Amino acid sequence: AQSVTQLGSHVSVSEGALVLLRCNYSSSVPPYLFWYVQYPNQGLQLLLKYTSAATLVKGINGFEAEFKKSETSFHLTKPSAHMSDAAEYFCAVAPTAYSSASKIIFGSGTRLSIRP
Amino acid sequence: NAGVTQTPKFQVLKTGQSMTLQCAQDMNHNSMYWYRQDPGMGLRLIYYSASEGTTDKGEVPNGYNVSRLNKREFSLRLESAAPSQTSVYFCASRAGTRGSDEQFFGPGTRLTVL
Repeated sequence: AQSVTQLGSHVSVSEGALVLLRCNYSSSVPPYLFWYVQYPNQGLQLLLKYTSAATLVKGINGFEAEFKKSETSFHLTKPSAHMSDAAEYFCAVAPTAYSSASKIIFGSGTRLSIRP
Repeated sequence: NAGVTQTPKFQVLKTGQSMTLQCAQDMNHNSMYWYRQDPGMGLRLIYYSASEGTTDKGEVPNGYNVSRLNKREFSLRLESAAPSQTSVYFCASRAGTRGSDEQFFGPGTRLTVL
């Protein structure tokens, strides 16, 4: 069964500092991977997704993630944090062998706080 | 396109009351999902519908029922609400044709059961 683990339920960085949110997946074959963001009192929205076309994936709002098969990781980064990045971030995995019963599995989330 | 819409946005119930949460999508997606989100618990899947006419249980189905009314609509019913069902409920949809399809989420329904 596939799963994702997000290391750190809460990450706090200073405005302008590097943002690094960690995600490791468990899968027998490289899966599809997603990062979602949830701003306060809103639903989740897609930041970016990995579909095997390129290992470095760029998303919205200056975020990017790198797929590393050897480390089974898909960490999310942003070079310079902005106050508006404060939100909860979810890593998610889906099997590449698609069937009608295939589901996206979500991690437990990481809350990102930005210090002025 | 409105995407995924949910009604109501907020609801307060008394223990034992029933209600139905409505969800609709206008993206012609095959798959639809209901999640609940509680502090520190992440997203937990309640029920899903892989395609019109099918529904399946997720991780936490007890106390809930669903109906896939048509391809657009997927409702969640609480027959006898309990305080443990106080949560934020999210509906999501997915094209459901490829593994790389992402899920689209609604804005959520905040439910309080007294």
